[in-house]
Amino acid sequence: TQLLEQSPQFLSIQEGENLTVYCNSSSVFSSLQWYRQEPGEGPVLLVTVVTGGEVKKLKRLTFQFGDARKDSSLHITAAQPGDTGLYLCAGAGAGSYQLTFGKGTKLSVIP
Amino acid sequence: GAGVSQSPSNKVTEKGKDVELRCDPISGHTALYWYRQSLGQGLEFLIYFQGNSAPDKSGLPSDRFSAERTGGSVSTLTIQRTQQEDSAVYLCASSLVGLIAGVSMADTQYFGPGTRLTVL
Repeated sequence: TQLLEQSPQFLSIQEGENLTVYCNSSSVFSSLQWYRQEPGEGPVLLVTVVTGGEVKKLKRLTFQFGDARKDSSLHITAAQPGDTGLYLCAGAGAGSYQLTFGKGTKLSVIP
Repeated sequence: GAGVSQSPSNKVTEKGKDVELRCDPISGHTALYWYRQSLGQGLEFLIYFQGNSAPDKSGLPSDRFSAERTGGSVSTLTIQRTQQEDSAVYLCASSLVGLIAGVSMADTQYFGPGTRLTVL
């Protein structure tokens, strides 16, 4: 069974601060996705990374896939209150349509 | 609307009753997934439909859970004899392709807003 551990589970920071969320596994994934979920809504895909060492940027968000494709990180620069939400990572194994989700990091950005 | 829709948005039921949850996927999406999200937990895979292939039911937690997809579109998740531990948000997602030339591959999944089920 593939497991994804996310840390931290909860994060409360002031507006303008930087933060990093981690997603770790002992398994290798063919691709890894990051989602953001707001209360009362389903998760929305932010990015997919597929290549070991890959770095993708989405405005103030930087996503990195580990060289061994077992871990990933999400870094947010100058966090804004609009970044508040639950951030989920999800990995897909080789040749699989199933996604394994982490438990999520609940981020609160205080104005 | 072009997104995935689910109904009802909230469902409160008594222990032992049956419930049906509905999912309308994005038109043209051949793959459909059901997940369960409990408080403090990640998304737990329940069942997967792809075209006319037999569904992957490997995530269903017990035989009280079943799902069907009619005409390759709308799906219904049924929970019989509900228990309090069934309380959770049930999410549906659809994607364009789940299977290409016999090779399974994950594609971008678009999620509905979920149905919050509360079993008293």
